[in-house]
Amino acid sequence: AQTVTQSQPEMSVQEAETVTLSCTYDTSESDYYLFWYKQPPSRQMILVIRQEAYKQQNATENRFSVNFQKAAKSFSLKISDSQLGDAAMYFCAYRTLTQGGSEKLVFGKGTKLTVNP
Amino acid sequence: GAVVSQHPSRVICKSGTSVKIECRSLDFQATTMFWYRQFPKKSLMLMATSNEGSKATYEQGVEKDKFLINHASLTLSTLTVTSAHPEDSSFYICSAMGDRKVETQYFGPGTRLLVL
Repeated sequence: AQTVTQSQPEMSVQEAETVTLSCTYDTSESDYYLFWYKQPPSRQMILVIRQEAYKQQNATENRFSVNFQKAAKSFSLKISDSQLGDAAMYFCAYRTLTQGGSEKLVFGKGTKLTVNP
Repeated sequence: GAVVSQHPSRVICKSGTSVKIECRSLDFQATTMFWYRQFPKKSLMLMATSNEGSKATYEQGVEKDKFLINHASLTLSTLTVTSAHPEDSSFYICSAMGDRKVETQYFGPGTRLLVL
């Protein structure tokens, strides 16, 4: 079964600085999707960025980018120019298919990011 | 685009009663909807997956008779917690997926359930 590991329960960063959140996963599949979701105090899950495994190019969305290392099964999230509004729980997720053919997301345990002014 | 709503946002009920939570995709047709449960400071746990017009697929350990899921249309799925007990108190989140090309789930804002 696929597993997702986020080894950093908490991280902090100074406003305007850069921070990297780690995520590793375990899978035997060759084609899959990876996601980073953000959950602010409102608890609304917000999609930050997605990566398709067959694409070698790292995904980028404004200040958010990933470092996707397929061979190492690593999918880290870099937040540049951190803003106070970036403070949230960040969940790494792997998309897989169940035996019945439906899809499911497997989430890591999350990393709580604090942004200091 | 890709907005998902949930209603109610929070509900308090007495033990033994049933509670219905609605999940709606507002600007797209959701062929598949998912129901998650999240305990405080924990990750999301998938409870079940529902496809429009068919029975939901429950994850191992989730009681299908206790958590009734109906996906009656392409924009609405409901989760009914039957005969609620205090241990059912939790944060319930739905997500929806429509365009298979995008392969992305969009989440609702969640419903906090407190069973007294």
